[in-house]
Amino acid sequence: DIQMTQSPSSLSASVGDRVTITCRASQTISSYLNWYQQKPGKAPKLLIYAASTLQSGVPSRFSGSGSGTDFTLTISSLQPEDFATYSCQQSYSLPHSFGQGTKLEIK
Amino acid sequence: QVQLQESGPGLVKPSQTLSLTCTVSGGSVSSGSHYWSWIRQPAGKGLEWIGRIYSNENTNYNPSLKSRVTMSVDTSKNQVSLKLSSVTAADTAVYYCARDRPPAPGIFYYYYMDVWGKGTTVTVSS
Repeated sequence: DIQMTQSPSSLSASVGDRVTITCRASQTISSYLNWYQQKPGKAPKLLIYAASTLQSGVPSRFSGSGSGTDFTLTISSLQPEDFATYSCQQSYSLPHSFGQGTKLEIK
Repeated sequence: QVQLQESGPGLVKPSQTLSLTCTVSGGSVSSGSHYWSWIRQPAGKGLEWIGRIYSNENTNYNPSLKSRVTMSVDTSKNQVSLKLSSVTAADTAVYYCARDRPPAPGIFYYYYMDVWGKGTTVTVSS
């Protein structure tokens, strides 16, 4: 199975900050990497698929990059509604595993 | 637009079978290249992929749960179902169903989960 490791596990930032979250796969997954945002008590919401394609309706301040084993999710200017937990997921090989999540908190 | 709704008992006794249903509205469980996935999340922990099913009943299960998991599809009711047998407290979690789709019809790679149900909490306790 492919292991997905996110860093950091938690992060404190302020509104307007630029934030980067990293996801590393235990083996190459090409660009088969998705990012989700989850708020407390809610279902995950798809932000980015295929490493860098923004899902329809997602603000352009969100961007994704990377291929192979190393990937990043960047929020260019944090907004109050962005404080949430972010998870990566690989869809390269079964089982389609998730990272452990990165909790983004208000500083 | 497509909406998903999970349903089932909120409390299951240890050693029994957990049974959940995901009802699809606004679309067909048989449409396109879509799979229907189940994911769970224990309180305060990360997401775990349980498995997925295609409309032709082709399934993929997480090896860690494979011996206990069964998924099925009922096209007449536009539902997919999850059964997890021999449950223990470790199976206590919020269970989600999600549409697992490719970027375009007719291709079978770059899958992502774009529509999720709200989730249902299942507690395993005597």
